[in-house]
Amino acid sequence: GQQLNQSPQSMFIQEGEDVSMNCTSSSIFNTWLWYKQDPGEGPVLLIALYKAGELTSNGRLTAQFGITRKDSFLNISASIPSDVGIYFCAGPSNSGYALNFGKGTSLLVTP
Amino acid sequence: GAVVSQHPSRVICKSGTSVKIECRSLDFQATTMFWYRQFPKQSLMLMATSNEGSKATYEQGVEKDKFLINHASLTLSTLTVTSAHPEDSSFYICSAGEKGNYGYTFGSGTRLTVV
Repeated sequence: GQQLNQSPQSMFIQEGEDVSMNCTSSSIFNTWLWYKQDPGEGPVLLIALYKAGELTSNGRLTAQFGITRKDSFLNISASIPSDVGIYFCAGPSNSGYALNFGKGTSLLVTP
Repeated sequence: GAVVSQHPSRVICKSGTSVKIECRSLDFQATTMFWYRQFPKQSLMLMATSNEGSKATYEQGVEKDKFLINHASLTLSTLTVTSAHPEDSSFYICSAGEKGNYGYTFGSGTRLTVV
């Protein structure tokens, strides 16, 4: 299946700082998704992107669908302690409806 | 919005026994559901696609006789881990989609520990 390369692997920041993470694909995607997973829970969808160049916000989160359709980034502004968790990018698998996930970015925020 | 319920949230079983995990779409019908497995500190890996009224489609390397999937209704898919062994211990997560067949909404997961 398509490979998703997500970076950075982990981030350790202070409360109030901005965060940026990105994901690249070995092939073109028609959809990019960003999820957050808390320990012991399933992933929760944060932002879905459906069009190349699209820039979408959800509160303090902003994500963009790269114009090459092979990359996407997620920004979190003014981080707070509850932003702690693992963030995953995802895109449709070769089978069409299931998802391929990146390896995740672990975010730690200190007060 | 779409809600996917998964039960149980955690289960401990003895080696050699079978465990059933349920995945329900609460406020929508899902002709297709998906089962993933996640090992500690790793990403989610697709195990199989569950199709209502027909056989599941398994990913390469996933034993269909060990991980039995039943999708008997438009709101329920079950995953049964048969003859469980310690190496089957993992976090199992299902997903489904309200619109079309895209499985974008996830359940809360099931932590399986085989002792």
